[in-house]
Amino acid sequence: QLQLVESGGGVVQPGRSLRLSCVGSGFTFSNYALHWVRQAPGKGLEWVAVISHDAGNFYYADSVKGRVTISRDNSKNTLYLQMSNLRPEDTAVYYCSREKADYDAFDIWGQGTMVTVSS
Amino acid sequence: SSELTQDPAVSVALGQTVRITCQGDSLRNYYVSWYKQKPGQAPILVIFGKNNRPSGIPDRFSGSGSGTTASLTITGAQAEDEGDYYCNSRGSGGHRVFGGGTKLTVL
Repeated sequence: QLQLVESGGGVVQPGRSLRLSCVGSGFTFSNYALHWVRQAPGKGLEWVAVISHDAGNFYYADSVKGRVTISRDNSKNTLYLQMSNLRPEDTAVYYCSREKADYDAFDIWGQGTMVTVSS
Repeated sequence: SSELTQDPAVSVALGQTVRITCQGDSLRNYYVSWYKQKPGQAPILVIFGKNNRPSGIPDRFSGSGSGTTASLTITGAQAEDEGDYYCNSRGSGGHRVFGGGTKLTVL
């Protein structure tokens, strides 16, 4: 069964850090680019970051650039999002997703993990 | 510009056809993909590439596009098609961008 499972969300104070994880199963993890997408409460989807299959390339949304780092450990089938200097506007459900090769589409999504930034 | 624009809300009578549109300059050069999301659930991919459906997506869903506009068409809308629909495309510098979403109501 193709699956992505996120973890690591929680309540954190502004200015603090948090690391999200996403474990993939049922497919060859190292063959696929992976993304983080977030959704603030009551709002639409916002793309956050992407990392290539071999971690050689990565890109970030302007809204998080300089504050987040995407990484992966293909030996552990795990994707990470290290977030620092968190702001209340970072409050959202964070989804990891797999990129379908050659189509720029997200074909598998995790169930999401909630991050709340509040004092 | 790497923005994608969608109508905030669309309604359709049960069994009728509805078109959800997405506009943006990036659509001239890159594929669009479409996602359906129900409240409290993760999005699911419904259309990718020129007009491809993942396994399990009913054939009443189809995609089309020309120039800077892409469309998702549901032919014979069902009650279970209610939800939020988002388009997505590649933006500049490896970025991806989502449209603001369209809330579909089936009457």
